[in-house]
Amino acid sequence: EPEVTQTPSHQVTQMGQEVILRCVPISNHLYFYWYRQILGQKVEFLVSFYNNEISEKSEIFDDQFSVERPDGSNFTLKIRSTKLEDSAMYFCASSEGQGRNSPLHFGNGTRLTVT
Amino acid sequence: GDSVTQMEGPVTLSEEAFLTINCTYTATGYPSLFWYVQYPGEGLQLLLKATKADDKGSNKGFEATYRKETTSFHLEKGSVQVSDSAVYFCALKGSNDYKLSFGAGTTVTVRA
Repeated sequence: EPEVTQTPSHQVTQMGQEVILRCVPISNHLYFYWYRQILGQKVEFLVSFYNNEISEKSEIFDDQFSVERPDGSNFTLKIRSTKLEDSAMYFCASSEGQGRNSPLHFGNGTRLTVT
Repeated sequence: GDSVTQMEGPVTLSEEAFLTINCTYTATGYPSLFWYVQYPGEGLQLLLKATKADDKGSNKGFEATYRKETTSFHLEKGSVQVSDSAVYFCALKGSNDYKLSFGAGTTVTVRA
């Protein structure tokens, strides 16, 4: 069964550094997402992406964050200057369509630790 | 906006016990409802879904029925196993919504 893959599985960085989290969505999917889960807390929506532009973003997704689909397969999340509170598990997801009948398929996540 | 409220955990059960995790939702229009499961150290996996009222989603012995009249989508399993130990998330996708809205998650531990 096709799956969403994320790399790396664990990233450690120092406060103020830039990080790029990488994802390869399922190949025939058109909609891409990033979510995060701070340890022990709720899974929170960050951003959705379609047709090479952001379709929706949450208030968490401020100017420090950006997303990009640099080629036909990768989808990246960049955090420009990491803060301690950015430490979380970041999940990439993709879906075939937009509507209610299209479930999101998630990767295994990247655990980001900011020291 | 759309939201999901699910039963707080943690829930601890013995093997072969009956499991229920309550989930209720608030949404405009006709959302689709999902249960995702997160096994220790892993990502989020779709467990089951239902897209309209009275639909029953089922997978791996788990079931949930979309109840529009009570705005609920409770997860049930008749006989749990140790391997069912995980965090379970109820989620909603609105009629024209790109994103999923998740509940807080319920941690389930099954003891042998």
